[in-house]
Amino acid sequence: QSVLTQPPSVSGAPGQRVTISCTGSSSNIGAGYDVHWYQQLPGTAPKLLIYGNSNRPSGVPDRFSGSKSGTSASLAITGLQAEDEADYYCQSYDSSLSAPVFGGGTKLTVL
Amino acid sequence: QVQLQESGPGLVKPSQTLSLTCTVSGGSISSGSYYWSWIRQPAGKGLEWIGRIYTSGSTNYNPSLKSRVTISVDTSKNQFSLKLSSVTAADTAVYYCARERLQDDAFDIWGQGTMVTVSS
Repeated sequence: QSVLTQPPSVSGAPGQRVTISCTGSSSNIGAGYDVHWYQQLPGTAPKLLIYGNSNRPSGVPDRFSGSKSGTSASLAITGLQAEDEADYYCQSYDSSLSAPVFGGGTKLTVL
Repeated sequence: QVQLQESGPGLVKPSQTLSLTCTVSGGSISSGSYYWSWIRQPAGKGLEWIGRIYTSGSTNYNPSLKSRVTISVDTSKNQFSLKLSSVTAADTAVYYCARERLQDDAFDIWGQGTMVTVSS
């Protein structure tokens, strides 16, 4: 049972927009801690995709965007491409656990 | 650019201690801006933070693993290490080392990961 809750799967056709939600609580996202997103392509290590709720590291296309409100955060991907098919994880910090915490991950399928 | 590389046995017997090392290249592990973390991922499952160490040697561990985990650092070798004792099949996973930013706890650089199987 992950501290942050994500939908197990989402899907969309090429060119469409999809969103992935990440729901936390008052001890993590709701406490003001930053949310980060990672993309994990099959057989590879996770890669930082969004940091500080809505910032993209250098080299990440602007098709990827993040937002945060209250105890939740979202990752949006526009103009879906086949290469976006991957697992996506949200991550924050939890003050009750005194530890970084991850969501359970969401598998994105490009139809 | 900074790179991380895990190394260690791929097979560990039940009840024994899992030992892994992460070698940092392209930068100093003594940089004051980062923690150095271990994260694991069982096959087909999500990511679990194991623990982290700061260059001073200060550590933080996942409460669920704290009794079995030790993380240490060797600044002279630019390495940090993980020891997980009394392993069971449930500890079978890909183990990643990662650089964690102090400013926001984001993991900005990851090693490629190493598969560790617990089996007799």
